[in-house]
Amino acid sequence: GAGVSQSPSNKVTEKGKDVELRCDPISGHTALYWYRQRLGQGLEFLIYFQGNSAPDKSGLPSDRFSAERTGESVSTLTIQRTEQRDSAMYRCASSFPATSAEQFFGPGTRLTVL
Amino acid sequence: AQTVTQSQPEMSVQEAETVTLSCTYDTSENNYYLFWYKQPPSRQMILVIRQEAYKQQNATENRFSVNFQKAAKSFSLKISDSQLGDTAMYFCAREGGGSNYKLTFGKGTLLTVNP
Repeated sequence: GAGVSQSPSNKVTEKGKDVELRCDPISGHTALYWYRQRLGQGLEFLIYFQGNSAPDKSGLPSDRFSAERTGESVSTLTIQRTEQRDSAMYRCASSFPATSAEQFFGPGTRLTVL
Repeated sequence: AQTVTQSQPEMSVQEAETVTLSCTYDTSENNYYLFWYKQPPSRQMILVIRQEAYKQQNATENRFSVNFQKAAKSFSLKISDSQLGDTAMYFCAREGGGSNYKLTFGKGTLLTVNP
């Protein structure tokens, strides 16, 4: 497809379980970002990948959160030992900073931790 | 921490009227981008308008325009001839600047356009 895609669209899990969220960026976009949006709040930056550079992990809230990206393609955000406070919409975005500052957002994964 | 502040949690406007949403931000960078994103009930994130800090001219996109005051670190969004479809949450965002492309968002303003 032409846009950023994310899967699953919804994820319900039990407290203590691990979850993996997937992001497929727009083809050719070198930069990929993960954000978290709690209900009624703005988006909080989590992690950023740019080409082959070391990722900027400064927004990850704890060591239970990690992310990987394979080359300039798919990324996976993993949350281990989920807690109820992890419930939120997780959004991925991609961009091609060499030509444009615009970030294109995916539809998000709504995570609910029971 | 560098922040983005939207001081109006909610606003309402009558259809066809004009409304202005405010945003202030903090940064130590000289060159950066500013954005307004719209989030309708569908929860998509839609770019409304963007401004490059080194450009003095205010950005305009059809009914949407900004008032960018760099020295005051202010970036307000004006919506003219409001339409029912403009009802949405609006987020102001600042890019980090330099080679830091991550976005810092405000908490949002919920705009309701009334018929």
